[in-house]
Amino acid sequence: KQEVTQIPAALSVPEGENLVLNCSFTDSAIYNLQWFRQDPGKGLTSLLLIQSSQREQTSGRLNASLDKSSGRSTLYIAASQPGDSATYLCAVLSGSARQLTFGSGTQLTVLP
Amino acid sequence: DTAVSQTPKYLVTQMGNDKSIKCEQNLGHDTMYWYKQDSKKFLKIMFSYNNKELIINETVPNRFSPKSPDKAHLNLHINSLELGDSAVYFCASSEQDRANTGELFFGEGSRLTVL
Repeated sequence: KQEVTQIPAALSVPEGENLVLNCSFTDSAIYNLQWFRQDPGKGLTSLLLIQSSQREQTSGRLNASLDKSSGRSTLYIAASQPGDSATYLCAVLSGSARQLTFGSGTQLTVLP
Repeated sequence: DTAVSQTPKYLVTQMGNDKSIKCEQNLGHDTMYWYKQDSKKFLKIMFSYNNKELIINETVPNRFSPKSPDKAHLNLHINSLELGDSAVYFCASSEQDRANTGELFFGEGSRLTVL
């Protein structure tokens, strides 16, 4: 059974800092890994999707890496802004049923 | 245009009632999902469905049933509502290509409160 863990559960940083969010998963036989952002009371917005054959993906100030063999992914956010404050969720697609398993998220607060 | 839309956004009802949440996607995707987010914000898959098969998470009570009138819709029916059903329910869709590696797109959620 796939399990996804995100560390830290919460993070508070001053504006302008670079930061790293961590995600680990127990079963390395994944199809892909996806990072989402969730704002309070809102749905999930897809940020980056990394296929199992890829090592990283970049979008603007965001960079996600994937080390499938060790069961780890990181989301790097450069030059953080208050608008980046949200909960960031990591999810992996795996298993014969090809279902997405989510971590519990990291709640990020960027202080102005 | 909203890619994945759910209605209603908020639903408050009494225990024992039967209710439905509707979901529609205009992305042309072939697979749709229902997820439940509990009070601890943890997201769990309930169902995934395409025109070939329905996959049910074994932990989902049979009071919950998905119904798909067509490829663009997957509605969630809940019978005999219980207090523990209170949660936010998210619909999502993806295109399952041959590699089954589709990106998921989520609706904004439907917050169900059972009194």
